[in-house]
Amino acid sequence: AQSVAQPEDQVNVAEGNPLTVKCTYSVSGNPYLFWYVQYPNRGLQFLLKYITGDNLVKGSYGFEAEFNKSQTSFHLKKPSALVSDSALYFCAVRPVTGGGADGLTFGKGTHLIIQP
Amino acid sequence: EAQVTQNPRYLITVTGKKLTVTCSQNMNHEYMSWYRQDPGLGLRQIYYSMNVEVTDKGDVPEGYKVSRKEKRNFPLILESPSPNQTSLYFCASSFERQGFEQYFGPGTRLTVT
Repeated sequence: AQSVAQPEDQVNVAEGNPLTVKCTYSVSGNPYLFWYVQYPNRGLQFLLKYITGDNLVKGSYGFEAEFNKSQTSFHLKKPSALVSDSALYFCAVRPVTGGGADGLTFGKGTHLIIQP
Repeated sequence: EAQVTQNPRYLITVTGKKLTVTCSQNMNHEYMSWYRQDPGLGLRQIYYSMNVEVTDKGDVPEGYKVSRKEKRNFPLILESPSPNQTSLYFCASSFERQGFEQYFGPGTRLTVT
């Protein structure tokens, strides 16, 4: 069965600094990878995804993520953090083929706090 | 506006009293899913549906039922709610199962006493 690890419960970054939210995964075969963001009292919003092709994926609100197959990682990054980026971020993985149940597995989430 | 709607947004009920949480999408999506979100556990899938009349269990289906009689609607039914079903519930939909991002509803906060 596949799994997703978000090793940090919370990441603190000063406004204007670069940010990274880490995600590693375990899956049999090739993965589809996703990042979602959840603002307080809201549902999850899609940020970006890796399906195939270029390992660097660009998404909404200036976020990007790099797929690294050898390290089984899909870290979320942004060059310059904004206070409005403060939210809960989820990484998710689904195997391209196979997978138990529906095959989509979410990490436990990382709270990103941007300090003014 | 493309969206997934859920009702009610907040619900407090008592053990054993049947309830239904509705979910509707206006994007003609084939795939729909229900999740529960609990602190420290992330999102766990309850049930999903690949299309009308096609549903299947997710990771935590016990105590829940679903139906998909129409493409746009995917209600979640708790026949006999228990306190361990107190949680934040999300409905989601996507064009297809594979490779497509999901659109999430605003959530339903359920408390069972």
